[in-house]
Amino acid sequence: NAGVTQTPKFRILKIGQSMTLQCTQDMNHNYMYWYRQDPGMGLKLIYYSVGAGITDKGEVPNGYNVSRSTTEDFPLRLELAAPSQTSVYFCASSYLGRAEDEQFFGPGTRLTVL
Amino acid sequence: DAKTTQPNSMESNEEEPVHLPCNHSTISGTDYIHWYRQLPSQGPEYVIHGLTSNVNNRMASLAIAEDRKSSTLILHRATLRDAAVYYCILRSRTRDNYGQNFVFGPGTRLSVLP
Repeated sequence: NAGVTQTPKFRILKIGQSMTLQCTQDMNHNYMYWYRQDPGMGLKLIYYSVGAGITDKGEVPNGYNVSRSTTEDFPLRLELAAPSQTSVYFCASSYLGRAEDEQFFGPGTRLTVL
Repeated sequence: DAKTTQPNSMESNEEEPVHLPCNHSTISGTDYIHWYRQLPSQGPEYVIHGLTSNVNNRMASLAIAEDRKSSTLILHRATLRDAAVYYCILRSRTRDNYGQNFVFGPGTRLSVLP
């Protein structure tokens, strides 16, 4: 199993540009998550999904959109990039979303908005 | 949400045990205690979790205080590869029994000296 994969690894955007961060998992997990991590800080939850077709907001959803058309994929869309969105983005998945379930994380996408 | 408090940083010598403390004085009865770690330039990885009893796995041990207001992650013999940021996280069950509120704080940065 490849686990959770993310593309691209690095990206530089200009203010106002759009992009999609890709996330794929091959573990047949129902739950998927997007986090962002600012320098020296912990992770903050942006959006999560409990299954195909179902998504919900996390702690910091403004400026982002998500979709979940398949079990495997959970892309994160930035429509109008702003410098405040400069961060490292991590995708994660878990089989279920129970409080005792382990989350598996991808390697991250480092995004810089100039 | 219940919060955790961890020291910003700790140091250990290689091949010695390390005790990483975490305070969670407002923990509720259904909160699970999770530990994750993040190696440099990687996504977080699961270490261990528990509810009330002490737990052991191949990576570490988790000691939970009797009143559950604190816990300690124990690495039995630190190696240079254990140098990472360690996060203590409380994972709560929401009313529908799914713990979406997975909150990462700044964690403890562990340095391992050769």
